Amino acid sequence: EDQVTQSPEALRLQEGESSSLNCSYTVSGLRGLFWYRQDPGKGPEFLFTLYSAGEEKEKERLKATLTKKESFLHITAPKPEDSATYLCAVQADTDKLIFGTGTRLQVFP
Amino acid sequence: DGGITQSPKYLFRKEGQNVTLSCEQNLNHDAMYWYRQDPGQGLRLIYYSQIVNDFQKGDIAEGYSVSREKKESFPLTVTSAQKNPTAFYLCASSAAFRGGNTEAFFGQGTRLTVV
Repeated sequence: EDQVTQSPEALRLQEGESSSLNCSYTVSGLRGLFWYRQDPGKGPEFLFTLYSAGEEKEKERLKATLTKKESFLHITAPKPEDSATYLCAVQADTDKLIFGTGTRLQVFP
Repeated sequence: DGGITQSPKYLFRKEGQNVTLSCEQNLNHDAMYWYRQDPGQGLRLIYYSQIVNDFQKGDIAEGYSVSREKKESFPLTVTSAQKNPTAFYLCASSAAFRGGNTEAFFGQGTRLTVV
């Protein structure tokens, strides 16, 4: 069965304290792995797509990496405005898009 | 501006009523999705469609129905058979996989409340 697991469920960081979020997955025929940011009451905002093991993408303080079984979202020197829920999703060969339950990140000054 | 529009933003339903949530996209995407989000449970897939006039059940399709008569539209009906419909509903679309970008883009959601 296709499955996506994210950890930790919640993460509290001091401003400037770097950390990583994990997304592990099992899926038949991975077409892509996606990271999203979601603010309360809003739709998810697309961040990155990763297609193959070894691939990395960066955007400002965020860097996403991919292996054959998991992906990491590294946050370097976070700021309070980075506080949000970060969602990971995988797309199977049927076009089915499966999400994890997310990591709720709080960054405080 | 290209994007996905969901309406209404807030919807109230009386018990026993059917309601339809609208989702329209002008991104020329083939695939469209409906998700339900409850606190602490992430996004759960209700239905998805890869092409006009075709759709597949997701993980929690019971009590819901969809149609895909036009490429740009994918309305979701929450029927009276759905026992716990109060939730945040999200619609998304993506280009079907053809070796290019396949990321999904989301609307701003519809919050449905049963009164």
